[in-house]
Amino acid sequence: DAGITQSPRHKVTETGTPVTLRCHQTENHRYMYWYRQDPGHGLRLIHYSYGVKDTDKGEVSDGYSVSRSKTEDFLLTLESATSSQTSVYFCAIGRTSGSYEQYFGPGTRLTVT
Amino acid sequence: AQSVTQPDIHITVSEGASLELRCNYSYGATPYLFWYVQSPGQGLQLLLKYFSGDTLVQGIKGFEAEFKRSQSSFNLRKPSVHWSDAAEYFCAVGLLQGAQKLVFGQGTRLTINP
Repeated sequence: DAGITQSPRHKVTETGTPVTLRCHQTENHRYMYWYRQDPGHGLRLIHYSYGVKDTDKGEVSDGYSVSRSKTEDFLLTLESATSSQTSVYFCAIGRTSGSYEQYFGPGTRLTVT
Repeated sequence: AQSVTQPDIHITVSEGASLELRCNYSYGATPYLFWYVQSPGQGLQLLLKYFSGDTLVQGIKGFEAEFKRSQSSFNLRKPSVHWSDAAEYFCAVGLLQGAQKLVFGQGTRLTINP
């Protein structure tokens, strides 16, 4: 158990509304990641963080923003949700610099209607 | 661009049979290599990893994987599958340049016949 929680676990929202997903870790690891999982695409990286206030884009960052004001929390925001953002979102942490191992949270299922 | 390919979208095997899931990568150097498993409705769990050294690595739940540099492959194997092994399996590559990130394959869904 890597001490990662995600909230909410399920959410249904309407097109055009803002949505924020939260990832919380209890072990003060430096690296945190947000992925989306869609059938046929595996996991695709949205944004990642390598420290407080240090974030960067992944391969599918359009329409998403992130913030990390504390080591333990990494927030993913959909400023104006679209139906194409219906997906399962996973947060992950990287425990050690140079090891590349990542440990995943339980996921958030988001439906945009 | 770096990529990871899992050629089999879905595999069905009988309980007790052997299993091999394929993974090929495209990368300029030997990357770090990982296999993850995802049970329905769950997050991903790390099965095993390869960084360097012995090309045959052992993981949890009786799984092993072999790195073959000449084939750019990192195939996952298990001698005898159990019904509880039914899940989706993901191969991932750690990019050794720039930020500490993983690239995932599309996944292989494993079904076990009783």
